Amino acid sequence: QQQVKQSPQSLIVQKGGISIINCAYENTAFDYFPWYQQFPGKGPALLIAIRPDVSEKKEGRFTISFNKSAKQFSLHIMDSQPGDSATYFCAAQLTFYDKVIFGPGTSLSVIP
Amino acid sequence: NAGVTQTPKFQVLKTGQSMTLQCAQDMNHNSMYWYRQDPGMGLRLIYYSASEGTTDKGEVPNGYNVSRLNKREFSLRLESAAPSQTSVYFCASRRSGQVYEQYFGPGTRLTVT
Repeated sequence: QQQVKQSPQSLIVQKGGISIINCAYENTAFDYFPWYQQFPGKGPALLIAIRPDVSEKKEGRFTISFNKSAKQFSLHIMDSQPGDSATYFCAAQLTFYDKVIFGPGTSLSVIP
Repeated sequence: NAGVTQTPKFQVLKTGQSMTLQCAQDMNHNSMYWYRQDPGMGLRLIYYSASEGTTDKGEVPNGYNVSRLNKREFSLRLESAAPSQTSVYFCASRRSGQVYEQYFGPGTRLTVT
């Protein structure tokens, strides 16, 4: 019940295309859903996040879509750029219990 | 403002050796965490500390010990390293309360032969 599933494991997108990464969770007690971006040799860094009372959040080219009834959420990267090439982790958080469960990650490559 | 710092960056150990990974943060955060990252497994929580003087086990605590030395520092110790502990280790911190973001350090790449 604590697991967060993420797909695909890897993704190759042409420059200018849309990258889509999907995640699913089971525990309805999760209260925060962040996405972290990790470049090679670096630690993850928060990219964008959403709370379960919101269905969509957009920051620049990055959008989270959240479907509470289906217990699914996804990251869309519009106009993907080579600089977006990184590993993306979705996560689900139980803030009161100080717990964050990470998905297994998606390796994104944006080719020119 | 250095954020979260970790030492060392790289380490090679032989099976059975011990070592301590150091982590420090200068953001006055209450909560600190140790994760390990393995291919296809995401980030798995080893131990965390909600405040100075308290520590709790995470998902994969076996073979590790931690010390929350003060508010700034949180160390991870491997008493008798095993090849299964070959991984990249990340320390993270978070301000407690209704603040959600975790800040990660640059990681320590550990190889146990």
